[in-house]
Amino acid sequence: GDSVTQMEGPVTLSEEAFLTINCTYTATGYPSLFWYVQYPGEGLQLLLKATKADDKGSNKGFEATYRKETTSFHLEKGSVQVSDSAVYFCALSEGGSNYKLTFGKGTLLTVNP
Amino acid sequence: DAGVIQSPRHEVTEMGQEVTLRCKPISGHNSLFWYRQTMMRGLELLIYFNNNVPIDDSGMPEDRFSAKMPNASFSTLKIQPSEPRDSAVYFCASSFVRGSDEQYFGPGTRLTVT
Repeated sequence: GDSVTQMEGPVTLSEEAFLTINCTYTATGYPSLFWYVQYPGEGLQLLLKATKADDKGSNKGFEATYRKETTSFHLEKGSVQVSDSAVYFCALSEGGSNYKLTFGKGTLLTVNP
Repeated sequence: DAGVIQSPRHEVTEMGQEVTLRCKPISGHNSLFWYRQTMMRGLELLIYFNNNVPIDDSGMPEDRFSAKMPNASFSTLKIQPSEPRDSAVYFCASSFVRGSDEQYFGPGTRLTVT
């Protein structure tokens, strides 16, 4: 079945540091890939997505590229801020008649001033 | 636009009591999902509906859990009887499934069963 594996946290960085959170997936078809972010006490929000190979999703300075050859969708940001402190979830969807999202376990990011 | 609305935001109840969580999806969305989040198990999909019909309830932990969607604008998740191990944050999410798989999450209901 489908699965998503993302790097275990927690990740602690200083403000303005470079961020990478690794995510790899297993799927039978050609899934859409997502990064969701959960701020403390809130629900998940879509951060970015990519629907086909080599697509790059980007939002709020975050980027991730859909790499079919390595089945990866790593999240990056060049300069993190304290306000980026949150839990980040990688997810995939097979689409079609399968409406489900398969989530990774989440990575807690803490950015210190 | 209003997002997904969940109520109550917090619920504290005693073991054995019935608990009902409520969700109003985004207007126009045709799929609704119930999730449970705990530190130990992460985010788990409990059940999802498409056009008010339950499609997959394989994630429902046991018969104590039930979910309904009587119309396109309302869903409930009921736990009867509740147990301490049901303590978690329960999220509802909705989406419009036709070319986009993006789900929009509500703020969650934090359930504590003592």
